[in-house]
Amino acid sequence: GAVVSQHPSWVICKSGTSVKIECRSLDFQATTMFWYRQFPKQSLMLMATSNEGSKATYEQGVEKDKFLINHASLTLSTLTVTSAHPEDSSFYICSARRTSGPSSYNEQFFGPGTRLTVL
Amino acid sequence: AQKITQTQPGMFVQEKEAVTLDCTYDTSDPSYGLFWYKQPSSGEMIFLIYQGSYDQQNATEGRYSLNFQKARKSANLVISASQLGDSAMYFCAMKGSASKIIFGSGTRLSIRP
Repeated sequence: GAVVSQHPSWVICKSGTSVKIECRSLDFQATTMFWYRQFPKQSLMLMATSNEGSKATYEQGVEKDKFLINHASLTLSTLTVTSAHPEDSSFYICSARRTSGPSSYNEQFFGPGTRLTVL
Repeated sequence: AQKITQTQPGMFVQEKEAVTLDCTYDTSDPSYGLFWYKQPSSGEMIFLIYQGSYDQQNATEGRYSLNFQKARKSANLVISASQLGDSAMYFCAMKGSASKIIFGSGTRLSIRP
């Protein structure tokens, strides 16, 4: 099956520091990856679409200078939360779209999520 | 613009009973896909079922079936013979021409023994 991993699974940091979250497609190539944020007891909100080798596309209201996304290879996208503040504490989930392989509607696979707590 | 609406924040169901989780959507895309995901307390998103907008038959996957009514723009999830392990958050989601999946607000399903 198609597996997506995230690292770290949880992180605690001090206010003002930057945190990098990695999203990897382990057994398939992903031209496109998506980053979501989920606050407690709320839904997943799409933050940005990450395309390999090009700039990410951010959803309305998401600060691109605060949430830096890099998709340097077909298997890795990173989200860096810069100058993190307590309000950035959330559950961050990535998903990866398979570039090739059996044609399937279920072509987007989700990572297990990263829980960020900013003190 | 696309929108997914789930009007049931929470539901309680007796074990072994069937349950229907409501989902309505709005989109101007002629072609789209509808998904249901389960999110247990661990946080992982578990894919349950998919319905394409041009699919003639309602999708089924084991105990899950999707009641797709295109004219009403609804895509309700039916879980038959509920089990204690079905207790979780359930999200309805849609993918349109932009190929990004957007989610509804979710329904918390609790199964009573």
